[in-house]
Amino acid sequence: QKEVEQNSGPLSVPEGAIASLNCTYSDRGSQSFFWYRQYSGKSPELIMFIYSNGDKEDGRFTAQLNKASQYVSLLIRDSQPSDSATYLCAVGTGGFKTIFGAGTRLFVKA
Amino acid sequence: DTAVSQTPKYLVTQMGNDKSIKCEQNLGHDTMYWYKQDSKKFLKIMFSYNNKELIINETVPNRFSPKSPDKAHLNLHINSLELGDSAVYFCASSQELLGYTFGSGTRLTVV
Repeated sequence: QKEVEQNSGPLSVPEGAIASLNCTYSDRGSQSFFWYRQYSGKSPELIMFIYSNGDKEDGRFTAQLNKASQYVSLLIRDSQPSDSATYLCAVGTGGFKTIFGAGTRLFVKA
Repeated sequence: DTAVSQTPKYLVTQMGNDKSIKCEQNLGHDTMYWYKQDSKKFLKIMFSYNNKELIINETVPNRFSPKSPDKAHLNLHINSLELGDSAVYFCASSQELLGYTFGSGTRLTVV
């Protein structure tokens, strides 16, 4: 069974610090990787996607992919209290199917 | 202008009833999805349509039936509702592998 694993947290970081969120996946054939942010009571919103090994930066967010290790991460620099949310890792396993991890709750303390 | 809109936002109903949730997207995306998010916040795919064709049909009770009259609309009909159907149901759309745009969700409570 194809799986996406995340530490459920909560991960607590002080304001201004770097938050590091990690995700592993089981299907070596996975081709696309996504990070979504979900505030309590709201719908998930796409933050970043990455397809190739290495880093991809967008503002304060950096996604990192290592296909050999089947590992994808999200770094949030200069964390703000408004970044407090659940972060969902999602993996495209081929065709139109995307499998979501259970999410990591992040708390940024002011 | 809402990209993916779902109605209703909240749905409270008794066991045994039949209910429908509607979804519309104005993004021009070819693919639409229904996901179920349970109390532990785990998102699980239920169905997907690509250009009105059913392409993903996960192990879901046959009381759940999706319908896509055109590529901008995807509805979900649920027969004989059970307590365990209580969850948040999200509609989403996507274009190729560029990630999903989710609707605001429908919180279904079966009493």
